[in-house]
Amino acid sequence: GENVEQHPSTLSVQEGDSAVIKCTYSDSASNYFPWYKQELGKRPQLIIDIRSNVGEKKDQRIAVTLNKTAKHFSLHITETQPEDSAVYFCAASRGSQGNLIFGKGTKLSVKP
Amino acid sequence: NAGVTQTPKFQVLKTGQSMTLQCAQDMNHEYMSWYRQDPGMGLRLIHYSVGAGITDQGEVPNGYNVSRSTTEDFPLRLLSAAPSQTSVYFCASSKIPNSPLHFGNGTRLTVT
Repeated sequence: GENVEQHPSTLSVQEGDSAVIKCTYSDSASNYFPWYKQELGKRPQLIIDIRSNVGEKKDQRIAVTLNKTAKHFSLHITETQPEDSAVYFCAASRGSQGNLIFGKGTKLSVKP
Repeated sequence: NAGVTQTPKFQVLKTGQSMTLQCAQDMNHEYMSWYRQDPGMGLRLIHYSVGAGITDQGEVPNGYNVSRSTTEDFPLRLLSAAPSQTSVYFCASSKIPNSPLHFGNGTRLTVT
């Protein structure tokens, strides 16, 4: 079935450095790719999303890039801060149903 | 707006017991879904609904039932709880499929 692979599973960076998380998907019909941030004990919250007709989207320190040919998309966080520490999930829509299939998550730690 | 409201927050069941996890949204969203979250497994889709009266299975539907009699409510039923159903359950809704998901605060379920 359709799946989403996410790497790395853990990522540790120094405050001020950049962080990159990568995801690949298998369903060529996927057309919506959101990223969620989940702090410990809290619900996932959308931080940025991109649709298949766009190659890149940016929101302040966060950007997402999409390569439809290679079926992968990435989250870029610049100038990381301790409050960026959380688990990040990528997701891809599944065909016409529009369900989201999630990656297994990346635990990001930003050291002061 | 309260957003997506889940009850209860915590629940302990014994094997074989049944219960219903409640989910309600006040955003007039057509699409609602249930996910379970287990360590290292990300978020896996259990069941979803694209509108009142319409439900369908996700990735891991076995052991769970749902119904959607109104736009606002989407309860998840465990008919005979098993230890493998110990997890954190999230209800989520969106205006339409393939659009940002809004998550509830989750229900932590333990089956002994």
